[in-house]
Amino acid sequence: AQSVTQPDIHITVSEGASLELRCNYSYGATPYLFWYVQSPGQGLQLLLKYFSGDTLVQGIKGFEAEFKRSQSSFNLRKPSVHWSDAAEYFCAVGAGRGSTLGRLYFGRGTQLTVWP
Amino acid sequence: EPEVTQTPSHQVTQMGQEVILRCVPISNHLYFYWYRQILGQKVEFLVSFYNNEISEKSEIFDDQFSVERPDGSNFTLKIRSTKLEDSAMYFCASSPGQVTPNTEAFFGQGTRLTVV
Repeated sequence: AQSVTQPDIHITVSEGASLELRCNYSYGATPYLFWYVQSPGQGLQLLLKYFSGDTLVQGIKGFEAEFKRSQSSFNLRKPSVHWSDAAEYFCAVGAGRGSTLGRLYFGRGTQLTVWP
Repeated sequence: EPEVTQTPSHQVTQMGQEVILRCVPISNHLYFYWYRQILGQKVEFLVSFYNNEISEKSEIFDDQFSVERPDGSNFTLKIRSTKLEDSAMYFCASSPGQVTPNTEAFFGQGTRLTVV
């Protein structure tokens, strides 16, 4: 069965420090992978996605993620965190096949706190 | 930029009452979804809708739930007789028909349902 694991419930970093949020997935085929961000009281905003091709994908707000098939991982990174990045981050895998996106399976989320 | 809109943003209802959550998906999208997020838990898939019928539903989506696209623009989720455990943030999402490198599921801001 499809599943997504985000092992870190809460991460605290200092502003300007680098960031890596971990995500591991379980899925039988080549997955569609996503990272979403949710600020308090807000909806889910897409940061980046991976469907195929180059395994290093660039997203908005300076984020990137690398798909590693051998490790079933899709970790999110940012070289220098800003205070406005404080939010909850969700990794998701799409269970679509072929031409359809399908339902998304979400991880539990990682809450990011940024110290000034 | 096109967006998914949901109304109301917050709804309080008494246990046993019926509620209808409303969504206006992006106009040229073909797939529509409902997800929910119980406080402190992961985002969970409820149902997907395509071509005027349910294409997939989760085990959460029992007979108390129904979805409808009553006209060309709205997509609704009805909960027939609400329970305390239905209290959650409900997200509507939509996506285009075919998966392309630009495909994503666009999420609305959510409706926070509180059952008392």
